[in-house]
Amino acid sequence: AQSVSQHNHHVILSEAASLELGCNYSYGGTVNLFWYVQYPGQHLQLLLKYFSGDPLVKGIKGFEAEFIKSKFSFNLRKPSVQWSDTAEYFCAVVSGGGADGLTFGKGTHLIIQP
Amino acid sequence: GAGVSQTPSNKVTEKGKYVELRCDPISGHTALYWYRQSLGQGPEFLIYFQGTGAADDSGLPNDRFFAVRPEGSVSTLKIQRTERGDSAVYLCASSLMARANTEAFFGQGTRLTVV
Repeated sequence: AQSVSQHNHHVILSEAASLELGCNYSYGGTVNLFWYVQYPGQHLQLLLKYFSGDPLVKGIKGFEAEFIKSKFSFNLRKPSVQWSDTAEYFCAVVSGGGADGLTFGKGTHLIIQP
Repeated sequence: GAGVSQTPSNKVTEKGKYVELRCDPISGHTALYWYRQSLGQGPEFLIYFQGTGAADDSGLPNDRFFAVRPEGSVSTLKIQRTERGDSAVYLCASSLMARANTEAFFGQGTRLTVV
């Protein structure tokens, strides 16, 4: 079975700070990886995804993530955060060969202080 | 519609009652997923449909939970004899097809509170 571990449950940063949120997954086969964001009062939205190819993927709003297969990791990064990035961030994985539902991590609550 | 629509947005019910939660997916999306999100947790997969059939219901916690999608569009999640532990946000998502490399779009969820 797949599992996803997000190491930081709560992160507080000041505006313009750099961000890295950790995500590790456990699954031996081919995977597709996602980061979703949930802004206060809104639904889950896709930030970025990795299916194949270049392991460095760029998403919306200046976010990027790097898939490191040897480390089973898919960390999310942003060089300079803004107050509007305050949200809950979820890493998710699904096996590449199937059509199963996503397996999510527990989420990271990010607070950006102005 | 423009996005995935879930109704009601909030539901309060008494322990032991029956509830139905509705999901209206994006038009043309053949795959539909239900998730449950408890406080402080990430969404947990319950069931998904490809068309009208339940392709994988392995995430349903027990036989009190059931879901249907009779015409391949709107889906209803049904919970019998509700328990306080069923309190959570129930999320629905749809995608163009049921493939791992297809983006899923989520609704706002239904917050179920069992008192």
